[in-house]
Amino acid sequence: AQSVTQPDIHITVSEGASLELRCNYSYGATPYLFWYVQSPGQGLQLLLKYFSGDTLVQGIKGFEAEFKRSQSSFNLRKPSVHWSDAAEYFCAVAPSGGSYIPTFGRGTSLIVHP
Amino acid sequence: DAGITQSPRHKVTETGTPVTLRCHQTENHRYMYWYRQDPGHGLRLIHYSYGVKDTDKGEVSDGYSVSRSKTEDFLLTLESATSSQTSVYFCAITATEQNTEAFFGQGTRLTVV
Repeated sequence: AQSVTQPDIHITVSEGASLELRCNYSYGATPYLFWYVQSPGQGLQLLLKYFSGDTLVQGIKGFEAEFKRSQSSFNLRKPSVHWSDAAEYFCAVAPSGGSYIPTFGRGTSLIVHP
Repeated sequence: DAGITQSPRHKVTETGTPVTLRCHQTENHRYMYWYRQDPGHGLRLIHYSYGVKDTDKGEVSDGYSVSRSKTEDFLLTLESATSSQTSVYFCAITATEQNTEAFFGQGTRLTVV
């Protein structure tokens, strides 16, 4: 079975600073990879996804993520954070064969200081 | 936004009572999921459905049952609610096995007292 690790429970950055949220996965082959964002009191919204091809993926709201097979990682980045980016971020992995059911990490809470 | 409605949005119930949460979709998606979200645990899969009357267990299915009699509705039932089932419950849908982008409802906050 696949698993996802988000090592950072909380990340604090200043507005305008760059951001990187870490995600590592465990799976026997190349999985499908996702990043979701959750604003307070809301459901999850997809930021970006990787299925195959170019390992640098562009998403909504200026986010990007890079799949690194050798490190089993799919880190989320943004060059300049805005106060509205404060939210909970979830990395998810789904098998590329079989059940396709996504498994989620525990989430990283992003705090943005003005 | 994908058409997913969860009801109720909030509920307080007593220990030992049955509770049913409803997820309704207007997207005609085949796959539906129930997750619970708890601090420090992220989202954990309770049950999922891959078609009408076709359901299976997730990693935290004990104490929960589900039913799907129509494509658009997926019900989650707590037969006898316990305090450990206090949580936020999310319904999600995906279109196909390969298109695993999930769309989420807004959640149901359940408190068992």
